Amino acid sequence: ETGVTQSPTHLIKTRGQQVTLRCSSQSGHNTVSWYQQALGQGPQFIFQYYREEENGRGNFPPRFSGLQFPNYSSELNVNALELDDSALYLCASSSPNEKLFFGSGTQLSVL
Amino acid sequence: SQQGEEDPQALSIQEGENATMNCSYKTSINNLQWYRQNSGRGLVHLILIRSNEREKHSGRLRVTLDTSKKSSSLLITASRAADTASYFCATDANAGGTSYGKLTFGQGTILTVHP
Repeated sequence: ETGVTQSPTHLIKTRGQQVTLRCSSQSGHNTVSWYQQALGQGPQFIFQYYREEENGRGNFPPRFSGLQFPNYSSELNVNALELDDSALYLCASSSPNEKLFFGSGTQLSVL
Repeated sequence: SQQGEEDPQALSIQEGENATMNCSYKTSINNLQWYRQNSGRGLVHLILIRSNEREKHSGRLRVTLDTSKKSSSLLITASRAADTASYFCATDANAGGTSYGKLTFGQGTILTVHP
């Protein structure tokens, strides 16, 4: 167990809908990174939050947005869902310059 | 985009044998990390090697890094059935940054260890 929890574990949405995924970071970690993992692929970096500010973003459109709260938990929001958004969404927390601790992920299916 | 390419894509061995996985990458890096993933669940950090290091050990794991060839290898010695998983290399190009969190992953090697 890494101490990083994600909710929900599974989610089914239809195209065009909006979704919010949640992540509670490990105690003492102030950095949260989000990744998208399509089936059979490696994870792709979406964005990172450090002390409630976005601290880097990967090659994802603006309909992918995030938040980090004062307790360092985080949300990933995706608007106008597309079929290709179906994937495992992984959250990882860390302290600066330390290794990542991943949650078990949220499996999103877009129909 | 995926920076790393891993070789082989799949590896099947018997318990007790050694498993070697290779990773190549394209750009300069600050460090390279290896992760393990069981059945599409969360990733577990195995080992980190910095760009100025050539070899690192952790238990049954041995990682090498050749920055001139932009490649790394992960060796698992005396494999066990419980080592069955997907293994990913990930590069961090964020030199001097505030976090190791912005990683570029390869596509992974699926390792199956038969009892």
